Amino acid sequence: GESVGLHLPTLSVQEGDNSIINCAYSNSASDYFIWYKQESGKGPQFIIDIRSNMDKRQGQRVTVLLNKTVKHLSLQIAATQPGDSAVYFCAESLYTGTASKLTFGTGTRLQVTL
Amino acid sequence: EAQVTQNPRYLITVTGKKLTVTCSQNMNHEYMSWYRQDPGLGLRQIYYSMNVEVTDKGDVPEGYKVSRKEKRNFPLILESPSPNQTSLYFCASSPWGQGEHGELFFGEGSRLTVL
Repeated sequence: GESVGLHLPTLSVQEGDNSIINCAYSNSASDYFIWYKQESGKGPQFIIDIRSNMDKRQGQRVTVLLNKTVKHLSLQIAATQPGDSAVYFCAESLYTGTASKLTFGTGTRLQVTL
Repeated sequence: EAQVTQNPRYLITVTGKKLTVTCSQNMNHEYMSWYRQDPGLGLRQIYYSMNVEVTDKGDVPEGYKVSRKEKRNFPLILESPSPNQTSLYFCASSPWGQGEHGELFFGEGSRLTVL
């Protein structure tokens, strides 16, 4: 598969445990945030999003938390499964006046051990 | 099946030999974009297009060209590739209108090596 990040921070969790992946974003004016999952050899896939007027949003087995005070975003995965092993990216979005611009973080590798 | 298709998926070329990476989406999306992905740097935007005949520079446009003659296609052109353009490239599309937010739909990636 493709190597998407040789120097990524790695989170290792046991199957069945909960995972928490953290992200610090840079622009306090960003008003929309997305988490993407990238499996080896594939393009990023949308997981969940949240707007800046919210501080929590839940999906199926995933929860995103937003703390605008400290510009921090987290992704919680409940009952982590081997299929969750991937690189996870956060992205912040800011409307520039002509378009909404997404800026991606560098990613965290999640390894699920059996 | 809704998808973004890139070609080629893998390419090895030599410095200075012009190449084009094609991107096509079948979702009637207005917005399309090209990114490159390098270790430790994440995804960086090269160019984007809000609609047909409307393109603009992203964060790292140097050495690249794009065109948007049709809504579904957004080719990335490297007129004179150099080794620092060795990277993993992703095309993405979205139904965003101007000022809207939403997810991007990504292609599977094109691994380019310039010798």
